[in-house]
Amino acid sequence: GDSVTQMEGPVTLSEEAFLTINCTYTATGYPSLFWYVQYPGEGLQLLLKATKADDKGSNKGFEATYRKETTSFHLEKGSVQVSDSAVYFCALSDRDNQGGKLIFGQGTELSVKP
Amino acid sequence: NAGVTQTPKFQVLKTGQSMTLQCAQDMNHNSMYWYRQDPGMGLRLIYYSASEGTTDKGEVPNGYNVSRLNKREFSLRLESAAPSQTSVYFCASSVVVRTNYGYTFGSGTRLTVV
Repeated sequence: GDSVTQMEGPVTLSEEAFLTINCTYTATGYPSLFWYVQYPGEGLQLLLKATKADDKGSNKGFEATYRKETTSFHLEKGSVQVSDSAVYFCALSDRDNQGGKLIFGQGTELSVKP
Repeated sequence: NAGVTQTPKFQVLKTGQSMTLQCAQDMNHNSMYWYRQDPGMGLRLIYYSASEGTTDKGEVPNGYNVSRLNKREFSLRLESAAPSQTSVYFCASSVVVRTNYGYTFGSGTRLTVV
């Protein structure tokens, strides 16, 4: 079945460092790909998405490009801030999948130090 | 505009007790979901309802039942709670129009079974 694999955390960075969180997927159809962010004590919020190959999703300085040839959707940010400390989830949804279910990776915890 | 509302936010149960987690959305979404979040395992789908009047099993349905009471409400019931059901539970709703996915998550219910 469809699945998502993320790099393990926790990831600890200094403020203004470059961030990459790797995400790869396995899917039989043509999925849409997402990054969600969860701040402490809160639910998940959509960070960005891409719905077809070579699309780039971007939001709040974060970017991710849908790479069908490498089945990847890595999250990047050029300069992280303390406020970016959170858990990040990569997810996919197969548009042919009835009900539009999301399949999540295990999450990567990011901690940014001043 | 409340989005997705879950109650209760916290609950402690004794093994064998039953309870119902409530979820309501006010966005007129067709699809609703229940996920559980466990450390290192991301979010796993318990049950979902693609539309009013339908429900289907997700990845980890054992020990749970659901009811799609109407378009707004989707409840999750634990008939006989077990310590393995200690988790954080998230309700979500979505609308899928072509490739425009709109998922909204509730803030979660933290359940402890002792």
